[in-house]
Amino acid sequence: DAGVIQSPRHEVTEMGQEVTLRCKPISGHDYLFWYRQTMMRGLELLIYFNNNVPIDDSGMPEDRFSAKMPNASFSTLKIQPSEPRDSAVYFCASSLRTGGYNSPLHFGNGTRLTVT
Amino acid sequence: SQQGEEDPQALSIQEGENATMNCSYKTSINNLQWYRQNSGRGLVHLILIRSNEREKHSGRLRVTLDTSKKSSSLLITASRAADTASYFCATDADPGTASKLTFGTGTRLQVTL
Repeated sequence: DAGVIQSPRHEVTEMGQEVTLRCKPISGHDYLFWYRQTMMRGLELLIYFNNNVPIDDSGMPEDRFSAKMPNASFSTLKIQPSEPRDSAVYFCASSLRTGGYNSPLHFGNGTRLTVT
Repeated sequence: SQQGEEDPQALSIQEGENATMNCSYKTSINNLQWYRQNSGRGLVHLILIRSNEREKHSGRLRVTLDTSKKSSSLLITASRAADTASYFCATDADPGTASKLTFGTGTRLQVTL
């Protein structure tokens, strides 16, 4: 299995521009998570999906952030307009919940976003 | 706020020594997981321990869980340079959903030759 695939690996953009991050989860996994990692705040859960449906987006910082999962094999996280404080590493992870317990998360290698 | 807090924040040891990292959390949990993150990479799952378990082993890893103290420890025995990484504990912050994982602040482990 190829694992969770994220693109791009690095993104440098100017303040005010739209940014779209992409994620392909592991085939067969029914949960998809978007996390953001910064030195100051650590790993923060932004939103997660179950069977392509957003379940909890309470971690999304503000309306400039949006996430979609149009099918089981693809998700996007969009920031519009981007701001310097959005600079961080954004991770996508997927999992398969079985037996009523959390299964381990499988993480992609992240997208390092720099907004200047 | 962080559900888990790791201690110490940073740890430097020599190859062959044991490394112990601790995690404290605030609310009741269904399970606790430990992850490793190498520089510039995503997190990799190491081990999961359920709330009704007290100890678990996987290779050179030993995890303990004390639900009465809301704490867990990760022991890496006979450490290697390749163990250099950051280590995070993660808990299901909302047992009602059992799907959201909240990560601690991490311990940076440096293993020197």
